[in-house]
Formats: sequence, structure tokens, C-alpha cells
Amino acid sequence: EPEVTQTPSHQVTQMGQEVILRCVPISNHLYFYWYRQILGQKVEFLVSFYNNEISEKSEIFDDQFSVERPDGSNFTLKIRSTKLEDSAMYFCASRLAGPQETQYFGPGTRLLVL
Amino acid sequence: AQSVAQPEDQVNVAEGNPLTVKCTYSVSGNPYLFWYVQYPNRGLQFLLKYITGDNLVKGSYGFEAEFNKSQTSFHLKKPSALVSDSALYFCAVRDKETGTASKLTFGTGTRLQVTL
Repeated sequence: EPEVTQTPSHQVTQMGQEVILRCVPISNHLYFYWYRQILGQKVEFLVSFYNNEISEKSEIFDDQFSVERPDGSNFTLKIRSTKLEDSAMYFCASRLAGPQETQYFGPGTRLLVL
Repeated sequence: AQSVAQPEDQVNVAEGNPLTVKCTYSVSGNPYLFWYVQYPNRGLQFLLKYITGDNLVKGSYGFEAEFNKSQTSFHLKKPSALVSDSALYFCAVRDKETGTASKLTFGTGTRLQVTL
């Protein structure tokens, strides 16, 4: 069964450094998402991406964040200058076309900013 | 705006007993409703969803959920709990009217603990 994959599974970085989190969505999916979950808190939406552009973004997704689909398979989240409060689990999700379709989530990348 | 409430941080149930994990939602239009489960150090796994039609939805691993429009609820149920069901359960909602790429809004999660 196709799955969303994410790399790395864990990332430790120093405050102010840039990180790139990578995702490979399910191959025939068209809509892509990033969510994050700060430890002990609920899952929060960051950004949605369709047809090579951002469809919607939350207030969390400020100028420090960017997303890209550099080729036909990868979907990346870049944080330009990490802050302590960026420490969280980051989940990628994807779904087929059609508003009723299910979003399928990857296993997540745990980011720790020191 | 859309929101989800999961009023219980934790639900404890003995193996073999029925379980219910509660969820209520708020949307301005009609909802798409989802349940996901998260095992330790794992991602979110899809369990079931309500789109339209029959209010009782059946999903993976014997779980089911009942959509109640008048009570704006979507409680997750299982007739007979297993120890292996112990995990964190998230309810999520999407407003049908808010565009095709729309996000899911999650509840805070309910930890289910099933004991022998």
C-alpha cells in the first residue's frame, strides 16, 4: 500500500540555522500539506500546496517558512532561521483530488532546535 | 472558522468492554469528519471518515463512528476494546464550503488506555 514518507526522522539543529524537511507524497496525489505538533499539543495546520503554489497558509507560516516541490516526487518544508519554538513534530500529508478525499500522513520529522 | 473539541484527555477501559471517544465540532457549513490514530513515535493513521449519507460510519480495526448533526458530534466507538487499541486518537473536521485545498482542524486528542 502506498505511503507518505518523510526524511529525516529526527533532526537536531542550532538556533538560527536553516533546516529542510523532506517528504515524498503518494505518487498520484495532487494536494500536499504540512502540519506540526508541538510536544503535548494538538496537530496544527501550516500550509497547503496545489498545482505548484500555496493554496492556504496559517499564521504560523511566516516568512521564515517556505515550501517547494522541486521535482515530480519530493515536497519540502524549509525553515530559514530556526527558533527554539520551532521544535516540534512536522507531518507531511497528501491526498487525491476531490474535497472528500482523505489526507494521508507521513511518519513525521521530529525537529529539535537548541 | 472550524473547530473540534475532544472533552476527555484520557479514556480508560477494560479489554473486552465497549469504548467511546467523544468529539464535537463546529463549522459554518457542512462538515467532513475524520478520525485518526497515533501510536507512539508514529504518524497519524486514518481510521474512518464521514462525508455524507449513512450517519454510522465503519472503519479500520473494528472502529465505527456516529455522525449526529443536531448534537454536532462524531463519537468514535468500538464494541469490544483490545489492549492493542491503546493509542492517541484525534478527531478532525473540514468545512465542505471552504475551498478544495482546505486544511483539517484537529482536536487536542484523547489518549485511550485499554487494560487487561
